[in-house]
Formats: sequence, C-alpha cells, structure tokens
Amino acid sequence: EDKVVQSPLSLVVHEGDTVTLNCSYEVTNFRSLLWYKQEKKAPTFLFMLTSSGIEKKSGRLSSILDKKELFSILNITATQTGDSAVYLCAVEPSTLGRLYFGRGTQLTVWP
Amino acid sequence: DGGITQSPKYLFRKEGQNVTLSCEQNLNHDAMYWYRQDPGQGLRLIYYSQIVNDFQKGDIAEGYSVSREKKESFPLTVTSAQKNPTAFYLCATYQVGGYPNTGELFFGEGSRLTVL
Repeated sequence: EDKVVQSPLSLVVHEGDTVTLNCSYEVTNFRSLLWYKQEKKAPTFLFMLTSSGIEKKSGRLSSILDKKELFSILNITATQTGDSAVYLCAVEPSTLGRLYFGRGTQLTVWP
Repeated sequence: DGGITQSPKYLFRKEGQNVTLSCEQNLNHDAMYWYRQDPGQGLRLIYYSQIVNDFQKGDIAEGYSVSREKKESFPLTVTSAQKNPTAFYLCATYQVGGYPNTGELFFGEGSRLTVL
C-alpha cells in the first residue's frame, strides 16, 4: 500500500529559528514529490521534486529529495510568524495528478 | 478571475440527508478531484475525473457520488450512507500534459460540512 509519512506532526519554534520537516514515502512507480503550505483553507504549492540531490529554493524555504532513501526534507530558515501553517507532503505515482498526502506537520512560530 | 469556486463554504445537515457540494472551475483543466480532510489528517482522495463523463473512485469513495457532465463542473454528493461525513472537503484541478507541467494541483477554498 502506498504511504507517505511526515515528521514531526507538530513543531513549535521561535522566530529566527531554523526548522527541518521530514517526509518519507513508499509509492509504486514514483513520479514526483510535492510540498504544500496550508494556512487556513486551500493548500498552496511550494515545490515539486523529481530528481535526487537537486535542491529547490524559494526565499527562506528549500527542499531536497533522496530517491534512494525515499525521503524529502523541507527547510525553513529564519522562521517568521507568517510561516505558521500545516505543511503537507504529497507523492505522485505514475497516474497523473493523483497524489497521496501525508498527515502534515503543524508548524507554530512564536514571536 | 481564473480559479476554482466551491460552494457552499459552510453547510450543516441533519443525519440521513444527502447533500451536494459544488465545484466549478474556469481554468480549463482536464482533471478534477475531491479530497476530504479531517483534523490532524492529511488529504484523502474521494473521487477523481480526468475527462468529461468519466470518473474513478479514490481511497474513500464509499458513501459519496460524483458526476462529470461538463468540463467545468464536478459536484460531490455526500449520501446518508457516509457514516462520518463531518469534514472539510477540498476540490482540486490539474492540467494533464499542460506546459509548464509542474505537477501542481490547484485547490478551491473548501467546503466545511457539519452533520448535526
């Protein structure tokens, strides 16, 4: 059975801290791994990763994929209160657009 | 504005009643999806459709039904057979083979259903 596991499920930090969110997966016929940020309602897209070892970066956020060990990490440096959200990891198998989601990591950043 | 419109945003229903959640898109995307989200849980796929007049069951289709008569519309009916329907429902779209194909799902704002 395909599975996506995120850790930790919950994380509380102070502004300025650096955090690392983890996502491991077991999916048949892997195509891509995606990260989303969900603040209140609709998840918003952060990154899509398809190749091992290539870091994707956007401002203070970065992510990398290890297809051999079947995991990805999402790093957030110099966290801000606006980073508080649920971060969802999803994996796309060969069926286009059908994603398997993890339970998410609830990140809370205190001022 | 291009996007996905879900309605209603909030819905209350009594046990034993069917309810239909609307999802309309003007992104001209081929594929549409319904996900369910429970507190502390990820998104679980209910149904999806990659082309008009065709749809497939996801992981938790029991107690739900859908139709795809138009490209723009993918309504979800929560039937009385769904044992625990209280949840947050998200509709999403995906452009099959589009360029640039980021693999990204586009989400609506969601509908929160509460069964009294």
